[in-house]
Amino acid sequence: NAGVTQTPKFRVLKTGQSMTLLCAQDMNHEYMYWYRQDPGMGLRLIHYSVGEGTTAKGEVPDGYNVSRLKKQNFLLGLESAAPSQTSVYFCASSSLWLNTGELFFGEGSRLTVL
Amino acid sequence: LAKTTQPISMDSYEGQEVNITCSHNNIATNDYITWYQQFPSQGPRFIIQGYKTKVTNEVASLFIPADRKSSTLSLPRVSLSDTAVYYCLVGNSNSGYALNFGKGTSLLVTP
Repeated sequence: NAGVTQTPKFRVLKTGQSMTLLCAQDMNHEYMYWYRQDPGMGLRLIHYSVGEGTTAKGEVPDGYNVSRLKKQNFLLGLESAAPSQTSVYFCASSSLWLNTGELFFGEGSRLTVL
Repeated sequence: LAKTTQPISMDSYEGQEVNITCSHNNIATNDYITWYQQFPSQGPRFIIQGYKTKVTNEVASLFIPADRKSSTLSLPRVSLSDTAVYYCLVGNSNSGYALNFGKGTSLLVTP
């Protein structure tokens, strides 16, 4: 049981390049989330999804797009990367029946934009 | 949104009990309170969750007063490995299940 898997774990981009982060969960969870964490900061919610085919904006959605075409996958896209998007990105998921806030996190994806 | 407020940092010696308090004045009726622990370069992991009164598991206790406007995570006899950032999270079912973390409390345990 892999839980929540993020790929890639590390990536370096140049300003203006695009990329997609993949989050995959094998727990049949309904809810999925993308957070970013900057040095010395807490986690800030970018986008989230309450089920297949749905997405919603979080606290800091600008510059990011997401898709949830399959229940087990939640993709985070950067269309034109900026240095301000240098961060560690965490994906998380939770069960419909446990939507009281118990999240299972991936190991993180460290993105550097030059 | 149910905003949370925690102390930015705390220090403790090994073997002491540590209590971290989180304020959540506008918690909704259906919201639970969950605490997470995060080590450097890792994703947060669940510690404990509660709705009211007291909850205890093998690693911590969670105290929630009757008005539920705050909660206290209690770590008994901390060790060096408890050095981490601790987050209080209030589940907000009234805002479309957006789960927003605060800045957390950085706990440093020293010998």
